[in-house]
Amino acid sequence: AAGVIQSPRHLIKEKRETATLKCYPIPRHDTVYWYQQGPGQDPQFLISFYEKMQSDKGSIPDRFSAQQFSDYHSELNMSSLELGDSALYFCASSFESSGRTYEQYFGPGTRLTVT
Amino acid sequence: LAKTTQPISMDSYEGQEVNITCSHNNIATNDYITWYQQFPSQGPRFIIQGYKTKVTNEVASLFIPADRKSSTLSLPRVSLSDTAVYYCLVAPRAAGNKLTFGGGTRVLVKP
Repeated sequence: AAGVIQSPRHLIKEKRETATLKCYPIPRHDTVYWYQQGPGQDPQFLISFYEKMQSDKGSIPDRFSAQQFSDYHSELNMSSLELGDSALYFCASSFESSGRTYEQYFGPGTRLTVT
Repeated sequence: LAKTTQPISMDSYEGQEVNITCSHNNIATNDYITWYQQFPSQGPRFIIQGYKTKVTNEVASLFIPADRKSSTLSLPRVSLSDTAVYYCLVAPRAAGNKLTFGGGTRVLVKP
């Protein structure tokens, strides 16, 4: 079965640079979520989109922005990168119309390292 | 959101049953209990969800007492590949609900 695709899988950036992470949800899934997981920490919700509109926002820094496109893929844009942004970034998707949005499918993650 | 409390870690052996209890004393009427599993460097994976009594699927069972102030995830006959962090989440079953992870249980299955 198709899974959530994230690219790139690994990314190394320097401080103050920008990064763009991409997420391709499972076909027919209409909701995308972004989570950040720092070393030794639990995943933290950043932002979510439903039908290309932002549906919820968590502890996402102002330096970060995200959007969902017409083909339902999503991109997380990160600017002025800081060392503390080094983390695993997960994208998840769900099918809201199924009523099972608590059952989110996570991608393999993008490991961002800021040096 | 209801606060949850789980053991930080548990050790078990292959073939044994593992039971992880999660306390959620201030669970609300419309809250559901959901469990996720996370392997190192992988995204969390949905295991099971329940509201009350017992729920069973091909992976695990979830036991919820009548007062719903706690729940127990039961993993039958674990194998080495069940070594992971297990998260208990309590939240309303609202559409588009974000997942709030906190303080999972690190289960180590030994040979």
